Amino acid sequence: GQNIDQPTEMTATEGAIVQINCTYQTSGFNGLFWYQQHAGEAPTFLSYNVLDGLEEKGRFSSFLSRSKGYSYLLLKELQMKDSASYLCAVSLNTGGFKTIFGAGTRLFVKA
Amino acid sequence: GAVVSQHPSWVICKSGTSVKIECRSLDFQATTMFWYRQFPKQSLMLMATSNEGSKATYEQGVEKDKFLINHASLTLSTLTVTSAHPEDSSFYICSARDLGRDSGYEQYFGPGTRLTVT
Repeated sequence: GQNIDQPTEMTATEGAIVQINCTYQTSGFNGLFWYQQHAGEAPTFLSYNVLDGLEEKGRFSSFLSRSKGYSYLLLKELQMKDSASYLCAVSLNTGGFKTIFGAGTRLFVKA
Repeated sequence: GAVVSQHPSWVICKSGTSVKIECRSLDFQATTMFWYRQFPKQSLMLMATSNEGSKATYEQGVEKDKFLINHASLTLSTLTVTSAHPEDSSFYICSARDLGRDSGYEQYFGPGTRLTVT
C-alpha cells in the first residue's frame, strides 16, 4: 500500500524557523513534492526533490533521503502569511505518474 | 504560463441531479489530467487519472459510474457527478501535467470547484 505521514499541526513564532517532516512508504517513486495550501484554495507548488539532498529556494528548503523514505520542508524567517497547510506528496512511476498526497500539516504562525 | 482553469468555481445542486465540472489547460496541452476530492480539513484524495482519448483510470473505492470522466481533447477534461447526494459535497480539484516542459514532473492545479448538494 501507499502511505505518507506528516504531523497534523504545528505552531511557530513569526521570524523563527520551522521544519515539517514527512515519511513515506510507496511502491514506486518518481519524486517528492511539497505544496502550500491556504483554506479554500488550490495547492501551490513549493518544491520538488527526486535526488537525495537539500534544495534551497529563498526562505523555503526541502530535503530528501530516498533510502530512509524521509523528507522535510524547512521554512525560515516565518511570516504570518505562511500560516497554511503544507502537503507532502509523492509522484509514483506507475499509473500515469500519479501523485498521492499526505494528510497535510497545518502550520500556525503566531506573532 | 501553465494555467489551469475550472468551471464552475462553486455550484449548489439538489440531491439526485447531475453536475458537470470542466477543467481546462489554457496555455499548454495536457495528455494527463488528475481529479482530486478534498473534504474539509483533509488532504487531497486522488479520484482518477484522465488520459486524452482513452478511458480514465479510477482509484480504488471511486465509483466510475457515478463520477464520469471525459478527456476528449488535450486541453479539456470533464467530471460529471451523477445522481449527486449530500455526501458528495466537497471541493473538487483538477490538475494537469505538461510533459512538453522541462519541468514535466510538475502538476498545475486548477482553482477548484466547491460542490454543495442539498
